[in-house]
Amino acid sequence: ETGVTQTPRHLVMGMTNKKSLKCEQHLGHNAMYWYKQSAKKPLELMFVYNFKEQTENNSVPSRFSPECPNSSHLFLHLHTLQPEDSALYLCASSQDTSGGAETQYFGPGTRLLVL
Amino acid sequence: GQNIDQPTEMTATEGAIVQINCTYQTSGFNGLFWYQQHAGEAPTFLSYNVLDGLEEKGRFSSFLSRSKGYSYLLLKELQMKDSASYLCAVRDSNYQLIWGAGTKLIIKP
Repeated sequence: ETGVTQTPRHLVMGMTNKKSLKCEQHLGHNAMYWYKQSAKKPLELMFVYNFKEQTENNSVPSRFSPECPNSSHLFLHLHTLQPEDSALYLCASSQDTSGGAETQYFGPGTRLLVL
Repeated sequence: GQNIDQPTEMTATEGAIVQINCTYQTSGFNGLFWYQQHAGEAPTFLSYNVLDGLEEKGRFSSFLSRSKGYSYLLLKELQMKDSASYLCAVRDSNYQLIWGAGTKLIIKP
C-alpha cells in the first residue's frame, strides 16, 4: 500500500534540534491530517488541511508547525521539542472533510524519540 | 466530554470467533468506523456503520446500535495475521473523528 507515504520512518532528535516530517499522498485527495499516537492512548488530531487551507488546530503547542504547499504534500516542522512529544506521528488523507462516510487513509507513521 | 471505550487487550484462539466491543458518548453521531493497525504499520479501514444493524464483509462484521451508543466488531475464523490493534472511531456532529484507544488482539495457536 503506497497511497500515503511518510518520511522519515524513525527519527531521534535532541530538544534543541529542528527537524521536519514529510507526508505525501498519491490518492488525489483534498484533505490531509496530522495525528499523534501515544501508547495506549487515542489518536490525537493535531492539524487538518482541506484544499491547502488549515481548518483545524487542536491547541497544538507552537513547537509543532504544519505546512501544506499543495494538496498532495504535508509537512510537520519540529523545534525545541520535549521528551513527552515522543510518539508515533501519523499522516492521513481523505477526499475532503465534509462527508460522514469520508474515510481517512493513513501513512505508516514516523516514530519520533526526543532525548 | 466525548468518550470512546474499548477493552485494552483481548486474547483469542486461531480458528475461533472474537467480538470487540466499543461504546461511545459523543456530541452527535455521523457514523462509526473500525480500523485495523498492525504493530508499526498504518491503521487501515475495515468498516463504516451509520445505520443500526450488522454489516458483513467476509470474515469481519460490524454492528451498530445508535440508541445504546454501542458497536462491536466480530472476527470469525481467526487467523494469526489478525493479531493487531483494532481502533473504534465515531464522527461527531462537527464531523470530527473521536478515537478510542484501541484494542490489542492477541491470537494464540
